[in-house]
Amino acid sequence: EDKVVQSPLSLVVHEGDTVTLNCSYEVTNFRSLLWYKQEKKAPTFLFMLTSSGIEKKSGRLSSILDKKELFSILNITATQTGDSAVYLCAVGSGGSNYKLTFGKGTLLTVNP
Amino acid sequence: ETGVTQTPRHLVMGMTNKKSLKCEQHLGHNAMYWYKQSAKKPLELMFVYSLEERVENNSVPSRFSPECPNSSHLFLHLHTLQPEDSALYLCASSQGSGQYSGNTIYFGEGSWLTVV
Repeated sequence: EDKVVQSPLSLVVHEGDTVTLNCSYEVTNFRSLLWYKQEKKAPTFLFMLTSSGIEKKSGRLSSILDKKELFSILNITATQTGDSAVYLCAVGSGGSNYKLTFGKGTLLTVNP
Repeated sequence: ETGVTQTPRHLVMGMTNKKSLKCEQHLGHNAMYWYKQSAKKPLELMFVYSLEERVENNSVPSRFSPECPNSSHLFLHLHTLQPEDSALYLCASSQGSGQYSGNTIYFGEGSWLTVV
């Protein structure tokens, strides 16, 4: 059975701190790893990673994938209160029966 | 505006009612999905339609019945639901060639369902 495990499950930091969120996975026929940010509504897409060692960056957020060790990290530098959300990791896998498996998410709270 | 629109945004229904959730995507995608999000659980994939053909349903109870009349519209018909079915139901779409690639999956804002 495919598994996606995120850690920590929750995290409280102060504005300006840097955080690292982790996502490890065990899937058959890996296709891609995706990061989403979910506030009160639907998840919004952040990054898609398919190749090892290539950092994707968007403003203060960055992410990298290690396909050998089967994990990804999401870094957020100089955190702001608006970064408070649940961050979801999802892994796409399978051949003809493609599926997207989500982790439980990391709840990030950034205090002023 | 995500390009994926869901209605209604909130729905309260009794266990004997029949209702439907509607989803429409304006992104030109050819795969659409229904997900269920309950408290303290990961997102659960319920149904996938690729090129209007259902390709996966993950053993969802028959009280949930999907319908995909074309590549832009997706329905979830609900009947005789249970209180534990109360959750946020998310519709999503993606672009795939032939089969859904899932490279980027875009979500609607969800329909909050409460079963009383």
